[in-house]
Amino acid sequence: SQQGEEDPQALSIQEGENATMNCSYKTSINNLQWYRQNSGRGLVHLILIRSNEREKHSGRLRVTLDTSKKSSSLLITASRAADTASYFCATDSSNTGKLIFGQGTTLQVKP
Amino acid sequence: EAQVTQNPRYLITVTGKKLTVTCSQNMNHEYMSWYRQDPGLGLRQIYYSMNVEVTDKGDVPEGYKVSRKEKRNFPLILESPSPNQTSLYFCASSSPGVSRGTEAFFGQGTRLTVV
Repeated sequence: SQQGEEDPQALSIQEGENATMNCSYKTSINNLQWYRQNSGRGLVHLILIRSNEREKHSGRLRVTLDTSKKSSSLLITASRAADTASYFCATDSSNTGKLIFGQGTTLQVKP
Repeated sequence: EAQVTQNPRYLITVTGKKLTVTCSQNMNHEYMSWYRQDPGLGLRQIYYSMNVEVTDKGDVPEGYKVSRKEKRNFPLILESPSPNQTSLYFCASSSPGVSRGTEAFFGQGTRLTVV
């Protein structure tokens, strides 16, 4: 079952601009995570935000979580061509290890 | 280096010929899982294992088997592959816990084509 829905499905911006991706989910969660995938490669963990947190930063990444709206956003500031990738949100509702992934946002950053 | 290793990376096979995709992790993680990734469908969990000798079905288990005889290994077995199992497969591992969350580490993927 797919819990997360991501918006937009695709995003194209110029280098230096900010990129914002959104994720909505359906059930209550323990934490929400964002992953990055370069074309055809494995997913790489970017950031985890727990259900009792509202905002988290890691370098040029900023994640927000609104549990009342069951939504999260990932902001990449000052984007670079190397940020071109697909970005997935994943929710953990059980703390057992099971993650449910959204369908992802494909980001293209033009040099 | 902490990693999840899958083999092979690429595989073309014929319908009905049994195959195994191996997965090994060196982080002593309890939880391991297999996903398949298809265009427009995202990542869907096939099987997972919460520890040695404990496996369970994910969301799309039909046509697949797994085993967990050792903590580090979690092979995916296709007893009789069919063309609808053509996909990109990922193995992942993590160490769940309330304090640590469940960050998952992924292998590099196995692109399987069944003709």
